[in-house]
Parts: sequence; C-alpha cells; structure tokens
Amino acid sequence: QSALTQPASVSGAPGQSITISCTGTSSDVGTYNLVSWYQQHPGKAPKLMIYDVYNRPSGVSTRFSGSKSGNTASLTISGLQAEDEADYFCISYIGGNAYLLFGGGTKLTVL
Amino acid sequence: QVQLQESGPGLVKPSETLSLTCTVSGGSISSYYWSWIRQPPGKGLEWIGYIYYTGDAANYNPSLKSRVTISADASKNQLYLRLTSVTAADTAVYSCARGTTTVAHYFDYWGRGTLVTVSS
Repeated sequence: QSALTQPASVSGAPGQSITISCTGTSSDVGTYNLVSWYQQHPGKAPKLMIYDVYNRPSGVSTRFSGSKSGNTASLTISGLQAEDEADYFCISYIGGNAYLLFGGGTKLTVL
Repeated sequence: QVQLQESGPGLVKPSETLSLTCTVSGGSISSYYWSWIRQPPGKGLEWIGYIYYTGDAANYNPSLKSRVTISADASKNQLYLRLTSVTAADTAVYSCARGTTTVAHYFDYWGRGTLVTVSS
C-alpha cells in the first residue's frame, strides 16, 4: 500500500492561514474518519495536533483545525506564527493487519 | 509529563537480532496501547506493530510479522521490540509511541527515536 500523499513544502507569512493536504484512497482516508496529524520540530519528538480528522487534543492551539473531503484530509493553521515552522505529517487507519499508513511529511516555512 | 526513551545497540550485524527497549517515565504503561514505528534514512515512516500493555492484542505489520515481537513489562514500565534476521533494509530510526486506553491508531506521546544501523 502506498504512503499517503502530502505536499513536500508549504509556506506562509505570519498571520496568514495555510492548509496541508493528506491524500489517500477510498480504502483508507476515504473510508475511515481516523486521520491524525503531527507536528515535529527538528530533533524533537512528534506532537499530536489533531486526531480522528477533526479533534484537537487538550492544550493544542485552536489555530489548528482538521477536515476531510473524500479521500483527502487537511490540516489548517490559521494566524501563522514563527513557532509553527516545523514538519507536519498525517497518519490514517487503514484497517486489517496493515493497520496504519503514513504521509510523507510536509515542511512548513513561516516567511 | 510522560516521556518515552528508546535504547539499545546502535549497530547490529546482518542476520542477527535487533532488540530495543522503550522506557516510559512520568506515567504508567498500564491501560494503554503502545506502538513501534520506524523510519529508514531518507524514507517514510512505517508502522511496525502495537501491543496492549498486558501483552494481549498484539498486531504487527504483515511485512514484518514473521520477524517481529513486541512485548511489555508493566513492573519495569518498559516496552520491547525484537526483530530477527535483520538486513541492511532494517536500518532505521526506531521510535515508540503511546496510543490511548482504547485505540492504537493515533499517538499522544512519542519518543525521539534511536538509530539502528545494520552492518557487518
């Protein structure tokens, strides 16, 4: 099974909004509302930002939101801040024994 | 704050067994699902498998199932990964991650990972 497709990089100016997409197929993202998003700064452990497509864990800024349309899940960051500059990746449940599929990751640059 | 720390040999010879430990601090492994994930250099992340802290409900990536075992020791607050008959393709950064008390498909805590190189 192929990895989920994410753009290699996105950028935005402070205060702007950006959206990172995570595209799968009707067998994974399209079927299950079980996509999660993670932020990873260099040398740090990943941090959970969104789970089950829309849900934000306690402590995560409301500037981060998740959505899904068809086979594509999206992470939107509003009011970009310098500290948002990091790598972001998605994970989707795919069921069965293969269980999880990962996105290739997106580097966010805050201009 | 829950912290996960992977440890183990950084170099393993081909055909030998890779063994890693994930030590959890700041919280108990009890009641949670735990996964191992790896990332070969320059490649994407790959889920290896998960286990419930009791050792029940283990599930492994079919591509690794014949070679991998994940186990847990609640008394030591540790998780373990064992991968047999390794080859250069198993060279990767290996990370452990915590699921929830009911599901294992997303992770609220991750370790930073440890690089394991397979080479003679």
